[in-house]
Amino acid sequence: AQSVSQHNHHVILSEAASLELGCNYSYGGTVNLFWYVQYPGQHLQLLLKYFSGDPLVKGIKGFEAEFIKSKFSFNLRKPSVQWSDTAEYFCAVNFNQAGTALIFGKGTTLSVSS
Amino acid sequence: DGGITQSPKYLFRKEGQNVTLSCEQNLNHDAMYWYRQDPGQGLRLIYYSQIVNDFQKGDIAEGYSVSREKKESFPLTVTSAQKNPTAFYLCASSIRAGGTGELFFGEGSRLTVL
Repeated sequence: AQSVSQHNHHVILSEAASLELGCNYSYGGTVNLFWYVQYPGQHLQLLLKYFSGDPLVKGIKGFEAEFIKSKFSFNLRKPSVQWSDTAEYFCAVNFNQAGTALIFGKGTTLSVSS
Repeated sequence: DGGITQSPKYLFRKEGQNVTLSCEQNLNHDAMYWYRQDPGQGLRLIYYSQIVNDFQKGDIAEGYSVSREKKESFPLTVTSAQKNPTAFYLCASSIRAGGTGELFFGEGSRLTVL
């Protein structure tokens, strides 16, 4: 079965630390990849997405992610986190089959202390 | 403003009662989805609909029902058969099924069974 794995359940960082959240998926074919973020009390919003082309994609608020096809990975990074980055982060994959929905990882809660 | 509206935001229900969660979108999107979010579980797909009068079960459809009589509306009924209904429910839409997969989310409905 298709699946998405996020390696870290809860990450705690100090401001200005670098961030990397892991995401791996199970399928070997063509995929579309997403990172969504859910700030406390807010709805899910798109952070960045990858469909094709340059495997390094940049999103909002200084986030970026790298697609490594050989590793089935789409890790999220930020060089220097801020307190306002405290949120839950979800990796999601569309396995490019007609009519299928996004499959989400279990999420990573990021807590940033000031 | 275009978007997805879910109501009610909070709902309490007694065991044995059915409850219907509303989801309306004015984005002119073809596809709509219902996900359930539980702590540490990520988002799990309940049902999705690609077009009017058509819908498919997701991974955790048991105890739920949906209808899609209008393009704009995709209500979810949580029936008394759902063994653990207390959760946060998210409705989403996408331009079309089988496309990039990018989802737009509502603000969610939190259901508590007393």
